[in-house]
Amino acid sequence: KNEVEQSPQNLTAQEGEFITINCSYSVGISALHWLQQHPGGGIVSLFMLSSGKKKHGRLIATINIQEKHSSLHITASHPRDSAVYICAVFDGNQFYFGTGTSLTVIP
Amino acid sequence: KAGVTQTPRYLIKTRGQQVTLSCSPISGHRSVSWYQQTPGQGLQFLFEYFSETQRNKGNFPGRFSGRQFSNSRSEMNVSTLELGDSALYLCASSPGADNYGYTFGSGTRLTVV
Repeated sequence: KNEVEQSPQNLTAQEGEFITINCSYSVGISALHWLQQHPGGGIVSLFMLSSGKKKHGRLIATINIQEKHSSLHITASHPRDSAVYICAVFDGNQFYFGTGTSLTVIP
Repeated sequence: KAGVTQTPRYLIKTRGQQVTLSCSPISGHRSVSWYQQTPGQGLQFLFEYFSETQRNKGNFPGRFSGRQFSNSRSEMNVSTLELGDSALYLCASSPGADNYGYTFGSGTRLTVV
């Protein structure tokens, strides 16, 4: 049983395209995180959400608590955005992680 | 300011041995959490410490344990290593108790042979 489902698993985009990655979860949560992992393992925390929408540069994250769904959008994608994007939810006791979306942005 | 420091970066151990991994959080951060990442299972939460107390725990056997010191540095110990424990072990620190502002370390890659 996967508490967190992400789609798509893999995504290839041309530079400049608008990208959406989706995350659905089945547990009650107190917070949802979007993480970025580059080859080599380093993880960066992009957003923490408990409601609404957040924006940082070209990245936008939204969450719908009633529908148990979150989206990560990348506007004007760039090859440096190529990474694995991971959705993680915290239910008050522990974290559950999605399997990640591998994004490749082609110049 | 310095980031989250994990040592060692790479480690090779023999099945049955034990291992201790270290995580030094960002100065001022009081929460440290640990994660295991494998190709098959992805990222999984091990445990979280806040002010020297284990606050949350994932679904791992008792062979996996941790502690946090008064300076917020944390160690994770795995006893009686199994081949399946081979993984990237990541720690993250955050300022406090509000589940916000996580910064991850680069991880320790453990290989059990």
